[in-house]
Amino acid sequence: GAGVSQSPSNKVTEKGKDVELRCDPISGHTALYWYRQSLGQGLEFLIYFQGNSAPDKSGLPSDRFSAERTGGSVSTLTIQRTQQEDSAVYLCASSFRSEQFFGPGTRLTVL
Amino acid sequence: EDQVTQSPEALRLQEGESSSLNCSYTVSGLRGLFWYRQDPGKGPEFLFTLYSAGEEKEKERLKATLTKKESFLHITAPKPEDSATYLCAVQSPTRGGSEKLVFGKGTKLTVNP
Repeated sequence: GAGVSQSPSNKVTEKGKDVELRCDPISGHTALYWYRQSLGQGLEFLIYFQGNSAPDKSGLPSDRFSAERTGGSVSTLTIQRTQQEDSAVYLCASSFRSEQFFGPGTRLTVL
Repeated sequence: EDQVTQSPEALRLQEGESSSLNCSYTVSGLRGLFWYRQDPGKGPEFLFTLYSAGEEKEKERLKATLTKKESFLHITAPKPEDSATYLCAVQSPTRGGSEKLVFGKGTKLTVNP
């Protein structure tokens, strides 16, 4: 497709379970970002991938969060032992230059 | 750390009633200021990038302007389909040595017919 896609669109899980969120960036975009949008808060940076370089993980809130990017394309964000405060919309963006283009997000609800 | 403050938090306009949204920023050195539109349940949609004071960009009924301390998103003769949350962001360095967007909390615009 032409834009960034994310799956699933919605995920409901129980506290303590692990979840995986997927992002397919725009073809040819070398940079990929993950952000989190909590209710009433601005978007919060989580992690950044650029080509084959080591990712910038400086925004990850705890060691329960991890992400990988395979073949410089698809990325997966994994949250282990989910907590209720992890409930948010997780947004992926890709870019070629400075403008970041966002996917529709995954709404995560932790019960 | 770089900061972005948007005002007002919410704005209600009648169709055709022009207005402006404000984005104030504090950065160590501006690398780019971005405007996005976000509809409910969707990801932010890119609108404009501004890099230097005095720069202006236009798209349909929207015009973005930039000074050394703030940016304005001017909406001329808005229509109900302009209703959305408008987000402002600045390019900012991360602790890991790369760059990220730092966002404001947005202005929720409602345009009544």
